[in-house]
Amino acid sequence: QITLKESGPTVVKPTQTLTLTCTFSGFSLTTSGVAVAWIRQPPGKALEWLALIHWDDDKRYSSSLRNRLTITKDTSKNQVVLTMTNMDPVDTATYYCAHLYCGGDCYMDFDYWGQGTLVTVSS
Amino acid sequence: EIVLTQSPGTLSLSPGERATLSCRASQSVNSIYLTWYQQKPGQAPRLLIYDASTRATGIPDRFSGSGSGTDFTLTISRLEPEDFAVYYCQHYDSSSWTFGQGTKVEIK
Repeated sequence: QITLKESGPTVVKPTQTLTLTCTFSGFSLTTSGVAVAWIRQPPGKALEWLALIHWDDDKRYSSSLRNRLTITKDTSKNQVVLTMTNMDPVDTATYYCAHLYCGGDCYMDFDYWGQGTLVTVSS
Repeated sequence: EIVLTQSPGTLSLSPGERATLSCRASQSVNSIYLTWYQQKPGQAPRLLIYDASTRATGIPDRFSGSGSGTDFTLTISRLEPEDFAVYYCQHYDSSSWTFGQGTKVEIK
């Protein structure tokens, strides 16, 4: 059974750096084809993909946020960490991590999601 | 960058009715990378349809997806009370994932 859970601060101040952790179980990020992504959703708005890390440590970032994001993995702890610098009130959102598997048939969809964590940016 | 436009923004229907949701891409896309999700209030999105028309595990057959090129459709043949939610289409291209703005299916 695959599960993911996000953790991190609920409130950050403008200009601060946000660090979020995704702790997962039921799969390994050392398995070929596995990846974990971060996706966010401002209140009442649409989903926005942020970053993704593959099993082989290949990393992909949203072009609009690339210079503010860093994604890393700790396979020994089954965790993926996202850092976002220079936080602004417009970054207030629920942040989700999600599992992706690209095997023989690869559809690049997110088949398992964490429950999400709401991060509010406010002074 | 490919933009996905969903319509309508809100669909007001009664249980038992048919829902037809549209997702239009700004340029022709590879349909194997066209995905639909359902999101209920306070919950994470749930994978519904991948490869434009393949139901994910456990998804009832009243949900169906179709389309190719720039125009894709999610159809719910007969709405059940639990189907009232927001639906998002998503596409993958060139190491980037894009979501539409969503269609809310609400009870009329």
